[in-house]
Amino acid sequence: AQSVAQPEDQVNVAEGNPLTVKCTYSVSGNPYLFWYVQYPNRGLQFLLKYITGDNLVKGSYGFEAEFNKSQTSFHLKKPSALVSDSALYFCAVRAPYQTGANNLFFGTGTRLTVIP
Amino acid sequence: DGGITQSPKYLFRKEGQNVTLSCEQNLNHDAMYWYRQDPGQGLRLIYYSQIVNDFQKGDIAEGYSVSREKKESFPLTVTSAQKNPTAFYLCASSSMGQGVYNEQFFGPGTRLTVL
Repeated sequence: AQSVAQPEDQVNVAEGNPLTVKCTYSVSGNPYLFWYVQYPNRGLQFLLKYITGDNLVKGSYGFEAEFNKSQTSFHLKKPSALVSDSALYFCAVRAPYQTGANNLFFGTGTRLTVIP
Repeated sequence: DGGITQSPKYLFRKEGQNVTLSCEQNLNHDAMYWYRQDPGQGLRLIYYSQIVNDFQKGDIAEGYSVSREKKESFPLTVTSAQKNPTAFYLCASSSMGQGVYNEQFFGPGTRLTVL
């Protein structure tokens, strides 16, 4: 069965410093991985995805993520954090048994706080 | 929140009542989804639909029902059989296509509280 782990419930980083939000996955076959961000009382917004190809994926708002097959990880990164990046971040993996709708299995989320 | 609308934003339910949450999309997406979000548990899939008049149960379908009479609409009914319905409910949609793994677009959510 597939699973996604976000080992840190909370990440604090100073404004201007690099940030990393960790994600590891377990899935049989090729993983299809996604990152989403959620602001308070709002829906999720798509940031980026890895399907195949280059291990470094660039997404919205200056975020990027690196797919590491040997470590089964897909960590989200940004070189310089902004206060406005403070939000809840979700990593997700596509359910491998799906052939139609793109069902996703979500991690429990990591709350990022950027300190001014 | 893209072209997906959810209503109402807040909903209060008395025990024993059925309530229906609305979800409409104008993105021409074939697939639609309903998730439940609880603190510390991430999102859990309730139901999904790939085509009009067809839908499948997700991981936590008990106590919920859906319909898909139109491509644009995917309402969720929370029935009295759902014992712990207080949660934040999110609707999403995505396009479909063989070999294309498209991201889901989410609505703004409905917060349901049982009184």
